[in-house]
Amino acid sequence: NAGVTQTPKFRVLKTGQSMTLLCAQDMNHEYMYWYRQDPGMGLRLIHYSVGEGTTAKGEVPDGYNVSRLKKQNFLLGLESAAPSQTSVYFCASSYFPQLNTEAFFGQGTRLTVV
Amino acid sequence: DQQVKQNSPSLSVQEGRISILNCDYTNSMFDYFLWYKKYPAEGPTFLISISSIKDKNEDGRFTVFLNKSAKHLSLHIVPSQPGDSAVYFCAAFQTGANNLFFGTGTRLTVIP
Repeated sequence: NAGVTQTPKFRVLKTGQSMTLLCAQDMNHEYMYWYRQDPGMGLRLIHYSVGEGTTAKGEVPDGYNVSRLKKQNFLLGLESAAPSQTSVYFCASSYFPQLNTEAFFGQGTRLTVV
Repeated sequence: DQQVKQNSPSLSVQEGRISILNCDYTNSMFDYFLWYKKYPAEGPTFLISISSIKDKNEDGRFTVFLNKSAKHLSLHIVPSQPGDSAVYFCAAFQTGANNLFFGTGTRLTVIP
């Protein structure tokens, strides 16, 4: 049982480059989320999706785009990477809104923008 | 501004003793609280939660206490084990919202 899988695990980008982070879950969860974790700060919600074909902005959405074309996949895109986007990115999914139940997290993607 | 705060970045405890991790929040509208545990190079995993209508929830060695008047919650681990060494995140949300607010985490080290 894979759970939530993030690809890639590590990436170094040059300023201005673009990339896409892939999140895949095999639990048939409706809800999916992208978070970033920075030193001295808690995890912050970037974007989320409440179902296939839907996306919404979270707390820190600027500089990112997302797509949920298939229920099991949630993609996070950086169109023009900036050093401020150096962070560890976590994807999560849940069956219900994670308001009152647990979310399952991927192992994280460490992104460095130079 | 951080709505959920964990003021102790780290905590060291002897094996077998009690670990107490603290969390404070500022938003009185939060009505559900969760604790997540995170090992290095892994994603956070759910540990325990509590609704604002309760003041205590227990699951094995883990107990979460909620003091709404003080806007404070704590996680007690008894007895602490070396495998409990990890970073613990407190999180909170408000019903109707779609964001879970996380604290900055506390690194617990259980010394054998």
